[in-house]
Amino acid sequence: GAGVSQTPSNKVTEKGKYVELRCDPISGHTALYWYRQSLGQGPEFLIYFQGTGAADDSGLPNDRFFAVRPEGSVSTLKIQRTERGDSAVYLCASSPLGRNSGANVLTFGAGSRLTVL
Amino acid sequence: GENVEQHPSTLSVQEGDSAVIKCTYSDSASNYFPWYKQELGKGPQLIIDIRSNVGEKKDQRIAVTLNKTAKHFSLHITETQPEDSAVYFCAAILTGGGNKLTFGTGTQLKVEL
Repeated sequence: GAGVSQTPSNKVTEKGKYVELRCDPISGHTALYWYRQSLGQGPEFLIYFQGTGAADDSGLPNDRFFAVRPEGSVSTLKIQRTERGDSAVYLCASSPLGRNSGANVLTFGAGSRLTVL
Repeated sequence: GENVEQHPSTLSVQEGDSAVIKCTYSDSASNYFPWYKQELGKGPQLIIDIRSNVGEKKDQRIAVTLNKTAKHFSLHITETQPEDSAVYFCAAILTGGGNKLTFGTGTQLKVEL
């Protein structure tokens, strides 16, 4: 597509529930990133995929968070046993360059706003 | 890891005036510094970037300066317009060493008529 598409745009869930957030990157972009943005803060890195593999997952806060990108395109961020502190906007970005290339220009989606009640 | 500080957190200017936002970074190895504009309900959008081998870059009304010695970089917007009102984020990264952009905390810019 023309841009990075994220669904759902808004998700309200109850504490303890499981949620999945989906990201469709720009066609042909090999790199995909998940960031989390809390109110009034800058985006914080969660995980980075190069192709199908997670090249860097050091930003995932704990083992309740997991992300996959099975075919090297669409990615799903999965959150188990959600907590109120998980409430945030989850941003996905993609870029066309590989890990060891020059500066990567990231294109962000509009985000998925997660509210845990 | 990298730490990026951004100031001011809010900035209000009159239309036509200039706006300056400043950031400092901690990792002297960082070599790429993008600036993003985020409008309400949207994702951050890249507006300008600079690499460590350049001291200044300009694109129409927007310019970015980089002082590697002091480890700070700034965004300059001239002839501000109401549509410039948004939250602006600076970021820093060491390219080739992963792709973990570290963002500042953002500056809410308001351009008043």
